[in-house]
Order: sequence, then structure tokens, then C-alpha cells
Amino acid sequence: NAGVTQTPKFQVLKTGQSMTLQCAQDMNHNSMYWYRQDPGMGLRLIYYSASEGTTDKGEVPNGYNVSRLNKREFSLRLESAAPSQTSVYFCASSEYGGSNQPQHFGDGTRLSIL
Amino acid sequence: RKEVEQDPGPFNVPEGATVAFNCTYSNSASQSFFWYRQDCRKEPKLLMSVYSSGNEDGRFTAQLNRASQYISLLIRDSKLSDSATYLCVVNSYNFNKFYFGSGTKLNVKP
Repeated sequence: NAGVTQTPKFQVLKTGQSMTLQCAQDMNHNSMYWYRQDPGMGLRLIYYSASEGTTDKGEVPNGYNVSRLNKREFSLRLESAAPSQTSVYFCASSEYGGSNQPQHFGDGTRLSIL
Repeated sequence: RKEVEQDPGPFNVPEGATVAFNCTYSNSASQSFFWYRQDCRKEPKLLMSVYSSGNEDGRFTAQLNRASQYISLLIRDSKLSDSATYLCVVNSYNFNKFYFGSGTKLNVKP
């Protein structure tokens, strides 16, 4: 029962470097999400994909891009990392529209940008 | 105005106490509601969904008040292991987005 799997779990980058955070789910969910969580800020939505082939901006999309590679996988890319992007990143998935189903989370990627 | 608001706490209670949290939401068209639990430096985990008629799961009771736009979580007979941050989550009217409160921190003391 893998659920939602995120890689890597930890990463340290230098300012200006790029990297891609990977997320995969095995629950056949249609919708996938990327959040960041900073101390005292709660979870903030970066991007989401309501279904395969679609992506939409969330609350804090600047500095990020996403790719919904297929139904299982949803990646988050930082093109030019900045210290302000130091955070814990969570990927989540859920059923789509009308199902009243909750989100399921991966165990997070802790990203530090120096 | 935030979509979902919670009292950040912390709520410091002794073992065995009953504690209640409220959460208000701004969009009257919101369709579904959840409570999540988050331990320090861990991912949020679903505690329970909140149904219109209210629902109970062991020591936990959740209620929804659509007229006043709030949901509540009641924890009876608190355990040390209940210490965590409790997140209120509201699903948007079209089910595509979930809105999270900032969380209420609970500390259960021996």
C-alpha cells in the first residue's frame, strides 16, 4: 500500500540551481496537488491537476512549473531556486469532482536552498 | 478574508479532558469537510470526514453547522498521543480545490 510516494525526501540546493520533485500515486486518483508548508503559514496550494492532461495555478505558483506526466505522476519543477522556496513540499491526490473524497498525502520533501 | 479560519491555540489540556475546536469557512457553497491531524514534521493524515448530520469515531465527534458556516471537532478522554496539530479542510464547490486552515495545536499533558 504505497499510496502517494514523493522523491526525494530531503534536498539541499544552491540559489539558482534547478530541480524536479517527483510524485506518484497508485490509488487511481484523478486529481493531484502540490502544496508547500512553511512554519506558521499552513498548507498553501502551488499547482493542481484536476485530471490527466490539465493543470491549474493555485495560491502561490510563481517560481514553479508542473507536469502531469500521466494519471499516476505529477512533478513539480523549480527552474531557478531561491532561498524563499525553502520549505516542506507535499504532494496529494484525491478522487475527482462529486465524490466527496478526501486528499491523501505523501510524506513530504524537505527542501533547503542556500 | 481567508477561506478557512482556525484558532491556532495552543490548547493545553490534561489527560482525560474533553476539548473542542471550531473552524469557520467563508464559502457557503462548500461541499465537503474534513479534519486532518498533523504531527510535527509529518504529512497531514485524515482524521475524519464531517457529515451534515454529524458523525462520531470513537472519542472523536465532528459536527457541521451550515447556517453559521463552521465545523467542530470534539475530543473526549484526551490521550497523550492526541497531541498534534488539527487541520480543518474544506472542499470547494467544484471539488477541485481543498482549502486548509492553519491548524489548531493541541498539547495533552500528563
